[in-house]
Amino acid sequence: SQQGEEDPQALSIQEGENATMNCSYKTSINNLQWYRQNSGRGLVHLILIRSNEREKHSGRLRVTLDTSKKSSSLLITASRAADTASYFCATGIIFGKGTRLHILP
Amino acid sequence: GAGVSQSPSNKVTEKGKDVELRCDPISGHTALYWYRQSLGQGLEFLIYFQGNSAPDKSGLPSDRFSAERTGGSVSTLTIQRTQQEDSAVYLCASSLAGGEIQPQHFGDGTRLSIL
Repeated sequence: SQQGEEDPQALSIQEGENATMNCSYKTSINNLQWYRQNSGRGLVHLILIRSNEREKHSGRLRVTLDTSKKSSSLLITASRAADTASYFCATGIIFGKGTRLHILP
Repeated sequence: GAGVSQSPSNKVTEKGKDVELRCDPISGHTALYWYRQSLGQGLEFLIYFQGNSAPDKSGLPSDRFSAERTGGSVSTLTIQRTQQEDSAVYLCASSLAGGEIQPQHFGDGTRLSIL
């Protein structure tokens, strides 16, 4: 079964708006990672958050982790056309099905 | 520096043929992973190599699938007697060391189409 399940499956927003994606998982974790995948390409690591952290920032990215709810969120602020991609959460070798994000010009 | 390299980038073959997919990891990375990604789906773990340890083959879907890693570097994923359901993108990743803490670096995959 999937360890990570992203929500929503697809998201379209206007350029400049913020995009929020959520991830739920089933078992205890040591850390959770978020990746981005552009069409036809491999995945690129974005950010890792450890189980003892609640929030982490990297540029326009903000990740939160709630271990009591077994959930994480990825926020992209001030979205750009180049942010159009699929976003996956992962714990170790277990990846979710991803959120397809489309930034409208 | 060079990233993870996979070849071929595309492979079209007839049902029943054998195929070999190659992965060149980042130099110095001891961990290597193979995944399968069907259209619009997430990644399905296939196999994991870490240093000289026995590989974790728990994700291989059938005995038609096998993989090896020679000299702790290049890896080959072999699919024998291919079936149409084997059509997918096969992604390889490497990391500096094994374990959940290390980010994985991915190649662009091999898109396999079985006719």
